[in-house]
Amino acid sequence: IAGITQAPTSQILAAGRRMTLRCTQDMRHNAMYWYRQDLGLGLRLIHYSNTAGTTGKGEVPDGYSVSRANTDDFPLTLASAVPSQTSVYFCASSDSAGPGELFFGEGSRLTVL
Amino acid sequence: GQNIDQPTEMTATEGAIVQINCTYQTSGFNGLFWYQQHAGEAPTFLSYNVLDGLEEKGRFSSFLSRSKGYSYLLLKELQMKDSASYLCAGTDSNYQLIWGAGTKLIIKP
Repeated sequence: IAGITQAPTSQILAAGRRMTLRCTQDMRHNAMYWYRQDLGLGLRLIHYSNTAGTTGKGEVPDGYSVSRANTDDFPLTLASAVPSQTSVYFCASSDSAGPGELFFGEGSRLTVL
Repeated sequence: GQNIDQPTEMTATEGAIVQINCTYQTSGFNGLFWYQQHAGEAPTFLSYNVLDGLEEKGRFSSFLSRSKGYSYLLLKELQMKDSASYLCAGTDSNYQLIWGAGTKLIIKP
């Protein structure tokens, strides 16, 4: 049972570099989300997608972009990484866009130097 | 503004009961979630309350008072494996989750 798979699990990146965090789910969930989690702060929504072909901005979208070409994949791209993007990134999915249980990937720990 | 408040850290003894409180202010309200997150792991779903009252699920119960903007998570018969962070999240009128910073629960033998 895979659920949600994120890659890489950990990455150290030089500032200014481009980076894509991958997220794949096998549950056929319509909605997918990218969150970042920083010490002392709650999970913050970066971008979301309610269904394949659509995306939306969350609370902290600046510096990030996403695409949703199909149901299963929802990559997050940092076009030009900055140190403030050092964080743990979680991809999540849910069966519908309304309130419902979120299923999380194991997270990607990103350090930008 | 939208806000979720919960204590930063709590300590309890194995076998005891602990109550983790959460107060929320959201623009509109469509329910409140509790998630458990062990250190270095992903959050996992515990409960969802949309109506007032207590929902019991084994050793864990969750309570909601919409009029007071208040919820709590009650953990009974604490076990060492319950040591984790507990995340409270409210759902706003757009069905987006607003997350608290989490309560780190430390269980002592």
